[in-house]
Amino acid sequence: DTGVSQDPRHKITKRGQNVTFRCDPISEHNRLYWYRQTLGQGPEFLTYFQNEAQLEKSRLLSDRFSAERPKGSFSTLEIQRTEQGDSAMYLCASSFKRANTGELFFGEGSRLTVL
Amino acid sequence: GQQLNQSPQSMFIQEGEDVSMNCTSSSIFNTWLWYKQDPGEGPVLLIALYKAGELTSNGRLTAQFGITRKDSFLNISASIPSDVGIYFCAEILHGSGNTGKLIFGQGTTLQVKP
Repeated sequence: DTGVSQDPRHKITKRGQNVTFRCDPISEHNRLYWYRQTLGQGPEFLTYFQNEAQLEKSRLLSDRFSAERPKGSFSTLEIQRTEQGDSAMYLCASSFKRANTGELFFGEGSRLTVL
Repeated sequence: GQQLNQSPQSMFIQEGEDVSMNCTSSSIFNTWLWYKQDPGEGPVLLIALYKAGELTSNGRLTAQFGITRKDSFLNISASIPSDVGIYFCAEILHGSGNTGKLIFGQGTTLQVKP
């Protein structure tokens, strides 16, 4: 399978714990995005990487959130001291810069439940 | 800020019926995108529109880019059970440089009764 893969698919954690999600984009894609989706809403942009550089962060990304893409390949999204409001689906997407058609290739998402 | 408003919020139809949904914006855009999200999956691009007035088809799906550049509709003809899912309109955000990041509407949830 050469699509975007995310791990884990589901994570249940207690408030105050740290969680980390991983995303493996399509190999030739140099752009990588993280989105958050809550029930009944469309995905909301969190952050964007071009290769290993994090070029943009949304105001939604509080200082408890950090994302990395160390070698311009896979990416991780860490949430520290989780709160119940962090419960959501975290979607990763990738694309190829030169295309710029608006087509993002999404993974299946990592669903976080904070108790 | 830039917002996309989709309607209806949800639809419950009989298999074989045609479906129409739309999306409006307070801002002018140069691109309209329609994505579908199946349960437990990420969204997948269905149709992309790049020119005002453009009408594009993809199988049983037809989408149009409004002349005012502030709206778009998506039609599905002869619906089948696998059309079930959430349909999102999306735009490439203004002021995002060349990042390609998108904003999404709230979605239209479609349920099809066999």
